Order: sequence, then C-alpha cells, then structure tokens
Amino acid sequence: DAKTTQPTSMDCAEGRAANLPCNHSTISGNEYVYWYRQIHSQGPQYIIHGLKNNETNEMASLIITEDRKSSTLILPHATLRDTAVYYCIANSGNTPLVFGKGTRLSVIA
Amino acid sequence: GAVVSQHPSWVICKSGTSVKIECRSLDFQATTMFWYRQFPKQSLMLMATSNEGSKATYEQGVEKDKFLINHASLTLSTLTVTSAHPEDSSFYICSARDEAGWDTQYFGPGTRLTVL
Repeated sequence: DAKTTQPTSMDCAEGRAANLPCNHSTISGNEYVYWYRQIHSQGPQYIIHGLKNNETNEMASLIITEDRKSSTLILPHATLRDTAVYYCIANSGNTPLVFGKGTRLSVIA
Repeated sequence: GAVVSQHPSWVICKSGTSVKIECRSLDFQATTMFWYRQFPKQSLMLMATSNEGSKATYEQGVEKDKFLINHASLTLSTLTVTSAHPEDSSFYICSARDEAGWDTQYFGPGTRLTVL
C-alpha cells in the first residue's frame, strides 16, 4: 500500500465543515483512497472511498486531486459525535488495510 | 450498511487460560477476514488474514501457535488466544471484506481482553 501522510490533530467548531487532508503521493493506479474513523474504544467505521472521482455519501464527501496525490475528507456539518481519529488509507481492495496514526479530530462546542 | 459483530465485547481471564473471540459478518459473506490488535494510544496492527477453508496467513512476529484462527464458514472467523498472559491484554478487532461490495472492509466493534 502507498504511504499516506495526515496531520496529527485538528480542531473544528461544531456546525462547521471539517476538512481533513491526506497526502498519498506514491499511490498506484489501482489503489483506492479509503477513509475510516475510530471513536474511542470502538472498531473503525467505514466512511467513504474513491479512485479518482469525487465521491459523496450520507456521511461525508471525498475530494481527490486530479493527479491523485492528495485528497480531502469533508464532514459538512461537524457535530460533537464526529470527534474521532480519522484514517486515510491507500489500498487496492484485495490486501489488508494498513493503518497509520491518523488525524485526531476534536469537534469543539 | 454491512455489519460485522464480535463476541464477547470484553473478557477477563486468568493467565494460562485460553480465550476464543468470534467474528461474524451478519449481512454479507466474507471469504476473507482480518484480525487486528490495538494497544493503548497506538494504531491498529494487523495480526493475520483469515481465509475461509484454508490456513490463516500471519504477519511477521505473530505466533501462529498462540493465536489460533479458524474460518470455517463464509460468515464466521474465530481467534483463540491460547495460554494467555498479561502481555496479551489488548483490544482485538476483526474485519471482513465484502467482496460483493467493492471489496470494502467492515470492522467489528472489538473485544477488550484483560489477562490477570
């Protein structure tokens, strides 16, 4: 899997959009960008994934740059329950996910 | 969405005993499941890949005789921690790959193991 780089931590005001960046400059053509989050003492929760097009679902939007070297996960209206560690992972889908340290997002009231 | 369950959610055992953890994919079939463990304030570490009907593949440094994995059906994988010791105390998490759903991996809620 290509290595990904994320900021260690971020704060976001409740109700505002949370934009979480991820660099994956060595991503291969067959690797997707996956985003998961882990709330304290729970298993990781799948959020979204994409290959090269921007994606949106009920949880978030994923913006992937045209060169696919970076991406941004957007939580449009962050709530306190979105406080978690967010992991960006480049993976082809047929190998196990390898977790880095992720970004600790704190949503502040 | 796809749901993966784990049982038990927490367990306390004495040193030297064995503990079995179950991982089930509830609404999809999974040829492949994965076992991770997570120590406090650390990220998830892959332990092994569990393949239905065949032997598991273990990551380097993970003792296959200590962590027994059985994947007897398309919806169930089990991890047995044999002769548990206090250093095996950890948060064990499984995931299952939904091959009918873009190979997305879905995770269970985790099992907290404490060995006294």
